[in-house]
Amino acid sequence: GAVVSQHPSRVICKSGTSVKIECRSLDFQATTMFWYRQFPKQSLMLMATSNEGSKATYEQGVEKDKFLINHASLTLSTLTVTSAHPEDSSFYICSAADGRNTEAFFGQGTRLTVV
Amino acid sequence: QKEVEQDPGPLSVPEGAIVSLNCTYSNSAFQYFMWYRQYSRKGPELLMYTYSSGNKEDGRFTAQVDKSSKYISLFIRDSQPSDSATYLCAMRLTGGGNKLTFGTGTQLKVEL
Repeated sequence: GAVVSQHPSRVICKSGTSVKIECRSLDFQATTMFWYRQFPKQSLMLMATSNEGSKATYEQGVEKDKFLINHASLTLSTLTVTSAHPEDSSFYICSAADGRNTEAFFGQGTRLTVV
Repeated sequence: QKEVEQDPGPLSVPEGAIVSLNCTYSNSAFQYFMWYRQYSRKGPELLMYTYSSGNKEDGRFTAQVDKSSKYISLFIRDSQPSDSATYLCAMRLTGGGNKLTFGTGTQLKVEL
């Protein structure tokens, strides 16, 4: 399957700072990328969908000003958690799709801890 | 009611057992059904993918979809300790892009 690389795999930051997470499709062009959040022993919750070159579409209840998503190229999307708080601590996962195949491929996830 | 229901487990089985994992769903418009395996602190990896009703087999894994009952299953034959992981069902609509709706995941442990 296609490879999606997510970086960093783990990050610890202080409350009030911002953190950027990168998601790259290594061997295909990702027209659409998805960002999920997963709490321990819970399912993946879709946060937003981003299409290359356009604004992201956020799911209900997700603050767009807090979770900034940029999908400036066909191989890179970034999620920036702004003014992070301890309750933002979670596992964030991206997935990418090329628009032709029916499946999307997942990154390895980023464990964010806000202290 | 959640759109997709999945027993979180944990499910513990001896090595070599046949494992049955299941999900039910409420939206009859779902057409694509997937099973993902997720190891601890890793991203999900796609195991099986099925369109509409029917069975699909891949090695030790068999996926079944019964749209009339809104019920999907994943069977693992000759289970191995390396199969210990969380298994998530996911599904999506036709024309819904790649937007997936996930179950909560079932934690499986295969013991020696």
